[in-house]
Amino acid sequence: QKEVEQDPGPLSVPEGAIVSLNCTYSNSAFQYFMWYRQYSRKGPELLMYTYSSGNKEDGRFTAQVDKSSKYISLFIRDSQPSDSATYLCATLSGGGADGLTFGKGTHLIIQP
Amino acid sequence: DTAVSQTPKYLVTQMGNDKSIKCEQNLGHDTMYWYKQDSKKFLKIMFSYNNKELIINETVPNRFSPKSPDKAHLNLHINSLELGDSAVYFCASSDGEGAQYFGPGTRLLVL
Repeated sequence: QKEVEQDPGPLSVPEGAIVSLNCTYSNSAFQYFMWYRQYSRKGPELLMYTYSSGNKEDGRFTAQVDKSSKYISLFIRDSQPSDSATYLCATLSGGGADGLTFGKGTHLIIQP
Repeated sequence: DTAVSQTPKYLVTQMGNDKSIKCEQNLGHDTMYWYKQDSKKFLKIMFSYNNKELIINETVPNRFSPKSPDKAHLNLHINSLELGDSAVYFCASSDGEGAQYFGPGTRLLVL
């Protein structure tokens, strides 16, 4: 069983829609949860960072973590064509020098 | 100012050659990483260094050798390149509190 599962998409929505992106994970030791955005031929860009369960909001983006169900979500409000990218969820069991465990990424397309 | 930078951006080389990729971060972080992103876009950790000391060495062929001359730099040397080494290699850095910041990537193509 893969440690982090993510639907690769593509997910296509009209501009202005609310987007919901999700991941599930299997390792209950994961404590840190991140969402990265990756444009084509660019490096992953950190969007949201959450420690343990709960919600975090930053502008149009909201990240949710439910550790009881091992479920991670990213919501994008008022989606824009510039939001079209691949969104990667990532988890980490401890800080220090541990490597991130990534999902495979969801390719999101916002139609103008 | 670029936080995490890598050189070169593109690397095209023949099988059997040896090549190096360089990474520098100006974030003042103690921890640096190398990740590999394969053709299916899956990102996987290869190595991590903390204050010039190797911490993580995932199941990577020993043809790959990282070196950290100081905590702001982490280089990756690859010997006897193989076709399967073609991928995008990303450097990242962290302050050890969880979040990791990635460079722009080095696209390696082995012919």
